[in-house]
Amino acid sequence: EAGVAQSPRYKIIEKRQSVAFWCNPISGHATLYWYQQILGQGPKLLIQFQNNGVVDDSQLPKDRFSAERLKGVDSTLKIQPAKLEDSAVYLCASSFYENTQYFGPGTRLTVL
Amino acid sequence: GESVGLHLPTLSVQEGDNSIINCAYSNSASDYFIWYKQESGKGPQFIIDIRSNMDKRQGQRVTVLLNKTVKHLSLQIAATQPGDSAVYFCAETGGTASKLTFGTGTRLQVTL
Repeated sequence: EAGVAQSPRYKIIEKRQSVAFWCNPISGHATLYWYQQILGQGPKLLIQFQNNGVVDDSQLPKDRFSAERLKGVDSTLKIQPAKLEDSAVYLCASSFYENTQYFGPGTRLTVL
Repeated sequence: GESVGLHLPTLSVQEGDNSIINCAYSNSASDYFIWYKQESGKGPQFIIDIRSNMDKRQGQRVTVLLNKTVKHLSLQIAATQPGDSAVYFCAETGGTASKLTFGTGTRLQVTL
């Protein structure tokens, strides 16, 4: 069974630029999550989708972050404009509804 | 690959010895706990879980112990191998595997 796919794996941008990350969940998983993992910390949930609806986006900085999952499968997370403190690994995870979450390899973002 | 965290608590164990990784949680309402393993450059990988109606659960070479009185969780790895070297996170939630709150993590280093 293929795992969660993410791209790109690495991205370097300058502050105030925009960036987008893509996630393809495990086939059949209705729930998709985006996490931010700052170096030395555990992952922090940004947004949770079930199918194409948002379940929880309470920790998403909505002034600069946005995410969508239009067809209930793939998802994109965008940051515009980026700040230095956005440097982190962005992890995507998926699950069959509210069961065990399976994580992708992450995208390492560096903001200069 | 890049490091998950540079300033995490570190446990050094000799190959073949048993490892014990500890985690304190703060939310007394949490009733479902999960241990994840994160290798450098990869996303977290599910190891084992336990619900609050249990105090011990065993898997292959791993055992999780839960002490609800002092809000403490531990992961025991038997006969630690070099492939066990990683950062280990405990995560807690209030009933389902969604809405996880991750701890800060412990780096396990296995020496030969």
